[in-house]
Amino acid sequence: LAKTTQPISMDSYEGQEVNITCSHNNIATNDYITWYQQFPSQGPRFIIQGYKTKVTNEVASLFIPADRKSSTLSLPRVSLSDTAVYYCLVNTGFQKLVFGTGTRLLVSP
Amino acid sequence: GAVVSQHPSRVICKSGTSVKIECRSLDFQATTMFWYRQFPKQSLMLMATSNEGSKATYEQGVEKDKFLINHASLTLSTLTVTSAHPEDSSFYICSASRAEIGNTEAFFGQGTRLTVV
Repeated sequence: LAKTTQPISMDSYEGQEVNITCSHNNIATNDYITWYQQFPSQGPRFIIQGYKTKVTNEVASLFIPADRKSSTLSLPRVSLSDTAVYYCLVNTGFQKLVFGTGTRLLVSP
Repeated sequence: GAVVSQHPSRVICKSGTSVKIECRSLDFQATTMFWYRQFPKQSLMLMATSNEGSKATYEQGVEKDKFLINHASLTLSTLTVTSAHPEDSSFYICSASRAEIGNTEAFFGQGTRLTVV
């Protein structure tokens, strides 16, 4: 069973900020939280990874509260090309990654 | 960044034949690789863990005699779909991780679209 729960789908418009929240109530001490993006007929692509507090890179921010039981991926000013499926995963080291349903984000003009 | 390459990107085969899919880590060594399959509009489903120099570990419900995995080197794992049937048509994806202190990031191949006719 997947260790994470996230909304099945979300809709947004170009230029808006999108926040996708993921629940991982049973996260282990050594687990990291990683988000992937997948376009149709492509393999998932790494977006961001964090352990606690806030992590920011050139494409997204990841907010993790102190209890680490959830996390929020923030995509600033989305564009049409951000339409994709976003997966939240928790894992330690070389553990096999178990994918949940993912969140299908649709960005409209 | 690290790259994982899959070949072929798409293949069409006749029912009853076998198809081999390659997964290569291009600029790092991967002692462990993973194979997934994905049906349309669904999430990735882990099929097996490929271990360099030893037998693969299959997930429950995945037939090891049908999906043969070979991990003969630190940069190459292959998945062979034997005696393929139309229900094996799917999108197959491999991944590998490069260990770094403090975290690991999995890199995925571009996927292989298998169509069995």
